[in-house]
Amino acid sequence: EAGVAQSPRYKIIEKRQSVAFWCNPISGHATLYWYQQILGQGPKLLIQFQNNGVVDDSQLPKDRFSAERLKGVDSTLKIQPAKLEDSAVYLCASTRQGSTDTQYFGPGTRLTVL
Amino acid sequence: GQSLEQPSEVTAVEGAIVQINCTYQTSGFYGLSWYQQHDGGAPTFLSYNALDGLEETGRFSSFLSRSDSYGYLLLQELQMKDSASYFCAVPNRDDKIIFGKGTRLHILP
Repeated sequence: EAGVAQSPRYKIIEKRQSVAFWCNPISGHATLYWYQQILGQGPKLLIQFQNNGVVDDSQLPKDRFSAERLKGVDSTLKIQPAKLEDSAVYLCASTRQGSTDTQYFGPGTRLTVL
Repeated sequence: GQSLEQPSEVTAVEGAIVQINCTYQTSGFYGLSWYQQHDGGAPTFLSYNALDGLEETGRFSSFLSRSDSYGYLLLQELQMKDSASYFCAVPNRDDKIIFGKGTRLHILP
């Protein structure tokens, strides 16, 4: 089966600009996660979707970050406006049902904010 | 609160055995997972323990003691390609998963 797809793989923007990331999970996986991983740290959950509903977005900086999964399949994560501290790898992962299942990660998008 | 503690770095010699520990504190416990991440790569699943005891998968084994809120990942016959970061992770009763900060494994020839 195809893995989790993400694009773009790399993005360089200036602070205060906007950026969007796209994720297509494994076919049939109900739960989709967006993580932020800063160099040298573990993945930090930003938002978790179950189908097209939000399960947890408690760590999403909602003043600048937004995410959607309109049809319960692919998802977009947007940052507007970006700050220097948003420089990180943004990982998308999916599981068949919930968080007790194996997480399959996409290759990530490396964002650099100048 | 919920937290996971694991050493930030471990160094071992090629061919040796190394153990990476993880202690956790979480609301409800459903299991402990381990993930491997090479530099520039995405995390990949290694193992999952829901019950106490040792689970073996080739050169890698994972152990869980629920009474001690503790687990470890054991890597045997270390190879240079095992140089990576290793994360423990736990889901909680709210179906949220929390990752540890990761242990960077350095392997010396």
